[in-house]
Amino acid sequence: KAGVTQTPRYLIKTRGQQVTLSCSPISGHRSVSWYQQTPGQGLQFLFEYFSETQRNKGNFPGRFSGRQFSNSRSEMNVSTLELGDSALYLCASSFTGLAGGPDTGELFFGEGSRLTVL
Amino acid sequence: AQSVTQLGSHVSVSEGALVLLRCNYSSSVPPYLFWYVQYPNQGLQLLLKYTSAATLVKGINGFEAEFKKSETSFHLTKPSAHMSDAAEYFCAVTRYNTDKLIFGTGTRLQVFP
Repeated sequence: KAGVTQTPRYLIKTRGQQVTLSCSPISGHRSVSWYQQTPGQGLQFLFEYFSETQRNKGNFPGRFSGRQFSNSRSEMNVSTLELGDSALYLCASSFTGLAGGPDTGELFFGEGSRLTVL
Repeated sequence: AQSVTQLGSHVSVSEGALVLLRCNYSSSVPPYLFWYVQYPNQGLQLLLKYTSAATLVKGINGFEAEFKKSETSFHLTKPSAHMSDAAEYFCAVTRYNTDKLIFGTGTRLQVFP
């Protein structure tokens, strides 16, 4: 069974540009969430989607947006890139969307997309 | 609001020694707690999860964690460290009905021969 696939794995952009990152969840998973990982701020939650609906949003500016398609694939977009947006962006998927729950539902993470903004 | 605090950004142990990584949580509702491991240039892998079914949770690779409500702690332990355990470990908390995790700042574990 294929894991969570994120593309591209590495990319370099310049300030002011925009970027789109893609996430293909594990087959059958309906929930996708995104996290930003930086040395200074650690792991921070960006968005959570379940069946194409945004269920939660983290404390990020409006330049960060996302969406989920009917096949559960998800994209996130960052417009007007800033130097501070340089980070590893991690996508995670689950079947139930209930990592918080009494069952053994698990979040599976991809290897991330490493964005460098120059 | 929920949060977790990981004490010690770096922990060093000798191979074969006890591993103890500390995590304290803050939550106004019964929490769901997790430990994840991250190897260099990789994503996160779930080690174990507390769901209130049992206070002592056993995970993969010989790790376990004990939920102590009185101490608001969920420390991760392994009786005998192995070189392959060298990685960064994250404690996380969430509430019911979401995949939104709140992560601690992480603890980098070094294992010396």
